[in-house]
Amino acid sequence: AQRVTQPEKLLSVFKGAPVELKCNYSYSGSPELFWYVQYSRQRLQLLLRHISRESIKGFTADLNKGETSFHLKKPFAQEEDSAMYYCALWYNNNDMRFGAGTRLTVKP
Amino acid sequence: EADIYQTPRYLVIGTGKKITLECSQTMGHDKMYWYQQDPGMELHLIHYSYGVNSTEKGDLSSESTVSRIRTEHFPLTLESARPSHTSQYLCASSEKGLSGNTIYFGEGSWLTVV
Repeated sequence: AQRVTQPEKLLSVFKGAPVELKCNYSYSGSPELFWYVQYSRQRLQLLLRHISRESIKGFTADLNKGETSFHLKKPFAQEEDSAMYYCALWYNNNDMRFGAGTRLTVKP
Repeated sequence: EADIYQTPRYLVIGTGKKITLECSQTMGHDKMYWYQQDPGMELHLIHYSYGVNSTEKGDLSSESTVSRIRTEHFPLTLESARPSHTSQYLCASSEKGLSGNTIYFGEGSWLTVV
């Protein structure tokens, strides 16, 4: 079955420290993966997608098909990065399956 | 401005009442979705639509129903609300562009059934 796993519900780092939010997926086809972010009192919004191979707000994510992972990384976390992060998998051309989310807190 | 609008944002109703959560999008998207999310938990797809007169059930069984009479409108209805329906309901729409699929979310409707 298609599944997205985010093993950490909570992650706390200090400002300036590197951060990595883990995401593993289970999908028999060619995956299309995303990271969504929800800042306090804002709606869920797209952060980045693996197809674009882009860096948004200093975040990058590399698709590793061998490890079926799509971890989100940032070398130097900022306080404004504190938010809820969801890894998501698009499959069967009609559905986005989301992980349970990781709440990132960046301490000053 | 192109957006997804959900009303009401917050609703507290009594058990047994009928409620409709409204969702409208001005993005011109054919595909629309309803997700249910309990606090701190993952999103679950409960309904989706490919376009006008198309509605499908999602992965999570829900007692709610939806309709799609117009492209821009995708309301969700609970005929008889129960406390177990207390949750956040997120409406979304999607497009497939050159960079792949993207889902856009509304601000959500928080429903509390007492």
